[in-house]
Amino acid sequence: GAVVSQHPSRVICKSGTSVKIECRSLDFQATTMFWYRQFPKQSLMLMATSNEGSKATYEQGVEKDKFLINHASLTLSTLTVTSAHPEDSSFYICSARDRVSGGMYEQFFGPGTRLTVL
Amino acid sequence: AQSVTQLDSHVSVSEGTPVLLRCNYSSSYSPSLFWYVQHPNKGLQLLLKYTSAATLVKGINGFEAEFKKSETSFHLTKPSAHMSDAAEYFCVVSLPLFGGYNKLIFGAGTRLAVHP
Repeated sequence: GAVVSQHPSRVICKSGTSVKIECRSLDFQATTMFWYRQFPKQSLMLMATSNEGSKATYEQGVEKDKFLINHASLTLSTLTVTSAHPEDSSFYICSARDRVSGGMYEQFFGPGTRLTVL
Repeated sequence: AQSVTQLDSHVSVSEGTPVLLRCNYSSSYSPSLFWYVQHPNKGLQLLLKYTSAATLVKGINGFEAEFKKSETSFHLTKPSAHMSDAAEYFCVVSLPLFGGYNKLIFGAGTRLAVHP
């Protein structure tokens, strides 16, 4: 259980175009999902917290107009990188929060999406 | 403020020898701590977690970690390394936020290499 998928796994686009990345919780409903960014050989940095039916909460320094997040259902959150530039090239990872034993929450991570902007 | 410091960016061991990946944390209260593993171009897999229960935590694939409050440490160990253990390992602290949400703060990561 608690499987999270991402699509696509890899995407290459031209500078100035927009790219949408999907994050799905396959066997549970997630009111909260998270989007992370990972540069090569670096750690994960939280970009935003996505809440179903409401606006996402962005971390300091993340442009909300550039990284559009939509969480329209309990199993799907999307991240759209608008007007992508080469510096947006990165590994984008989503996670979804689910309640586990003991009543606590745990984040389950997707496999990531490698974005390359030419 | 909550933070984690992974003391080694790279660790190299021989197959069959013990593994030690070091992590120190900073927290103003009793933290929840995690170790995640990431294989190349893959997502993260939870190895184990500490949430104020037993201080010695056993995880998957033979890994374990001990929470030491006096040393503010949460080092990851394994008695005998396998080739398949070669990956990036992240120590993570959970920061509780308003509304019951938790924010995960990741360490810089330790790359484990296992040699035959």
